Amino acid sequence: QVQLVQSGAEVKKPGASVKVSCKASGYTFTSYYIHWVRQAPGQGLEWMGIINPSVGSASYAQKFQGRVTMTRDTSTSTVYMELSSLRSEDTAVYYCARAPNWSFDYWGQGTLVTVSS
Amino acid sequence: QSALTQPASVSGSPGQSISISCTGTSSDIGGYNYVSWYQQHPGKAPKLMIYDVSNRPSGVSNRFSGSKSGNTASLTISGLQAEDEADYYCNSYTSSNTWVFGGGTKVT
Repeated sequence: QVQLVQSGAEVKKPGASVKVSCKASGYTFTSYYIHWVRQAPGQGLEWMGIINPSVGSASYAQKFQGRVTMTRDTSTSTVYMELSSLRSEDTAVYYCARAPNWSFDYWGQGTLVTVSS
Repeated sequence: QSALTQPASVSGSPGQSISISCTGTSSDIGGYNYVSWYQQHPGKAPKLMIYDVSNRPSGVSNRFSGSKSGNTASLTISGLQAEDEADYYCNSYTSSNTWVFGGGTKVT
């Protein structure tokens, strides 16, 4: 069965970086794009970007350009999302989601990133 | 890219039908048939309910249906059940090769 398993919760200080992982299983890793979506406490969903695991190319929402980097490791079927220059407003649950077409069909369990001094 | 516009809340009684609207622009909803809808219960990851405007994934109840007219998409839930109480989000692909979510609608 398709599974996306994310890394555990993180606590970071303002200005630091965080790297969240998303390990895929149950399907051909390189056949489906992966999106990253975040959700601040009590807020809605926010699209961050997308990565093509086959070639490693990524595209980011303008809001995160220059601060986010999405990468993948095909040997472990894992994608990574690194966000730098963290501020308190980046406190959120970060999700990875598989994209079979133009929607997101399977989601990871979410990773809580807390930014606090 | 501004978020798509959804009503903050919609309520209904068991057995009733409700609809949730999602309004965008000609650069997103109006320009593509790539609207999807997600259900999210508290503390859980979102679940895909509708994709490509009106298609249901395997396993999703046929009480859920989607449609689109111009720049506005809609999700209809018929025969409302207690388990349908959740937050619902619409999403669309955009002309900027990005994706955008609606602000979310709480269904009670």
